[in-house]
Amino acid sequence: GAVVSQHPSWVICKSGTSVKIECRSLDFQATTMFWYRQFPKQSLMLMATSNEGSKATYEQGVEKDKFLINHASLTLSTLTVTSAHPEDSSFYICSALVGQGAKGEQFFGPGTRLTVL
Amino acid sequence: QKEVEQNSGPLSVPEGAIASLNCTYSDRVSQSFFWYRQYSGKSPELIMSIYSNGDKEDGRFTAQLNKASQYVSLLIRDSQPSDSATYLCAVGSGYSTLTFGKGTMLLVSP
Repeated sequence: GAVVSQHPSWVICKSGTSVKIECRSLDFQATTMFWYRQFPKQSLMLMATSNEGSKATYEQGVEKDKFLINHASLTLSTLTVTSAHPEDSSFYICSALVGQGAKGEQFFGPGTRLTVL
Repeated sequence: QKEVEQNSGPLSVPEGAIASLNCTYSDRVSQSFFWYRQYSGKSPELIMSIYSNGDKEDGRFTAQLNKASQYVSLLIRDSQPSDSATYLCAVGSGYSTLTFGKGTMLLVSP
């Protein structure tokens, strides 16, 4: 399958600071990437869909000014958690879409575990 | 609202047995169906995709789809302890985004 990387794999930050997470497709170009969040023992929650060269589409209830997404190239999307608070502590996972339409498949990065003190 | 339902488990099976994981979905126009495996603390890994009614086999895994019943399943033959994980069912409606179930935890005992 396609390989997706994320950096950093974990990060600890102080409340009020901003954290940037990178998601890269390593062996293919990804026009569309997705950002998810997963709290302990819960399923994946889609935060936003990131399309190269255009604004991200956020899911209902996700603050676009708090979770800034940039997809400036076909291999890189970034998620910046601004003014992080302890309730933002979670496992953030990106995925990249291979293929299009109904037969597109999402391949996930290894995830970034964020802890906000 | 689109929903994907899975039994949370755990489903316990002995090594070498067949594990059967089930999933139902609410959106009748769903077109794509996926099974992901997620080990504790790790991200999901795609193991099967299926798009048309019937069975699709890949090694020890068989995905089964019945659109009329809005039901998709995953069979794991010759289950191994390394198969112990949470299995996520995901459903797509043709616009690339997926709706995930909460997952079924599978425990394979030696």
